[in-house]
Amino acid sequence: EVQLVESGGGLVQPGRSLRLSCAASGFTFDDYAMHWVRQAPGKGLEWVSGISWNSGSIGYADSVKGRFTISRDNAKNSLYLQMNSLRAEDTALYYCAKEYGDYGMGAFDIWGQGTMVTVSS
Amino acid sequence: DIQMTQSPSSLSASVGDRVTITCRASQGISNYLAWYQQKPGKVPKLLIYAASTLQSGVPSRFSGSGSGTDFTLTISSLQPEDVATYYCQKYNSAPLFGGGTKVEIK
Repeated sequence: EVQLVESGGGLVQPGRSLRLSCAASGFTFDDYAMHWVRQAPGKGLEWVSGISWNSGSIGYADSVKGRFTISRDNAKNSLYLQMNSLRAEDTALYYCAKEYGDYGMGAFDIWGQGTMVTVSS
Repeated sequence: DIQMTQSPSSLSASVGDRVTITCRASQGISNYLAWYQQKPGKVPKLLIYAASTLQSGVPSRFSGSGSGTDFTLTISSLQPEDVATYYCQKYNSAPLFGGGTKVEIK
C-alpha cells in the first residue's frame, strides 16, 4: 500500500524550532519529487516547499524562505522539514505529498494524513 | 508572481445539477494545472491533472478543460458525496493553489 506518514508536530513557542518527518512506503521513493503543503485551521491549502528526487532542485514559498529547510534521505525513504524561527502564522496542519513525476512536472497524487503544528506561547 | 484565482468561492446546487468552477492564472501556465477535492476533515484528493486528465478511480462526472490562463472543473451531475472544497493548483515551477471553492447541496 502506498503510504505517507508524517510525524514531529506539536505545540511550540514562537521563535523556537521543530523538525517534521515523513516516512514513505509502497513506492520507489527516490523516483519522485516530494513536497510539504500546509493548511491553517479553516483556511485553504498553501504549498510550503518541494524537493526533487536527488535534492538537486529545491523550492520554498516566500512565507517560509530563510526559516524552513527541506531535505530527504532516499536510503531511509524519508522526507524532512526543519522549521526555525517559528511564528504564530505557521500554525497549521502540515501534509507531506508525493509529486507524480520529477520536480515541477506533476501534480500531487499521494498525500499523508498530516501533522499539526501549533505555535503559541 | 503568478496568482491563481478561483471562482466562485462557494456555491450551492441541487443534486443532479451541472456545476462549473473556474480557475484563472495571471500568466500562462500551459496545461500544468490540477484539481483537488477536499471533503470536510479529510485529506486532499487529486481529481484531474494536466488540466483535463482524470486521475485513476475518479468518477467520470468530473471533467476538466482549459489551457494557458483559463481553466474549468465541471461536475456533470452533482451527487451528495461531492460536497467538498475544490482547489486548483498550478504545479510547474513554484506550485500554487487557488483559494478554493466550497460546494454544498441546496
